[in-house]
Amino acid sequence: EADIYQTPRYLVIGTGKKITLECSQTMGHDKMYWYQQDPGMELHLIHYSYGVNSTEKGDLSSESTVSRIRTEHFPLTLESARPSHTSQYLCASRADRAYGYTFGSGTRLTVV
Amino acid sequence: GQQLNQSPQSMFIQEGEDVSMNCTSSSIFNTWLWYKQDPGEGPVLLIALYKAGELTSNGRLTAQFGITRKDSFLNISASIPSDVGIYFCAGPPIWETSGSRLTFGEGTQLTVNP
Repeated sequence: EADIYQTPRYLVIGTGKKITLECSQTMGHDKMYWYQQDPGMELHLIHYSYGVNSTEKGDLSSESTVSRIRTEHFPLTLESARPSHTSQYLCASRADRAYGYTFGSGTRLTVV
Repeated sequence: GQQLNQSPQSMFIQEGEDVSMNCTSSSIFNTWLWYKQDPGEGPVLLIALYKAGELTSNGRLTAQFGITRKDSFLNISASIPSDVGIYFCAGPPIWETSGSRLTFGEGTQLTVNP
């Protein structure tokens, strides 16, 4: 069973809508990450957090924003969705003394 | 950021065949990780390597940490249809002092024909 949960799994929305992708983990991990994955397979880091009230932008510029008010919750928000935001979004977390990430199942977003 | 060059990009094999893929970098890595992503899911950690020269197995999977610390490979023996997916190498580059951010390879898409 998953210890990191992403909702929704699939989302189709119209251009200009505001959306929030949810990510929650029950492992007490301080470090959490958001990746964007295009059909070309590569994983692109768009946001990360090392703890409550800590958020940083990743390597790939993104119009999304994140917040970290609680350790277990790391939501990603798009204020005005566009077709270029169509992608798979993966959330991950990591324990302090381990290098490996635990990934959620992802949210596949389609903006029409 | 630092890139990991993963090859091949895709493989089409028959069930029962062995598979080999590798990952190289121009920089040193202290840890190498191999992930598998099933269709429609997030990546799952398969094998972690922590020492140069280390050879680690997980069932039919074997991975090695290159002596130069700049490469790693993953072998899958006697492939089966459920091996289908995308395989990623990953690691924290040596300049990532906190070790908190992983660099991922571009992925190898594996297709196994029954």
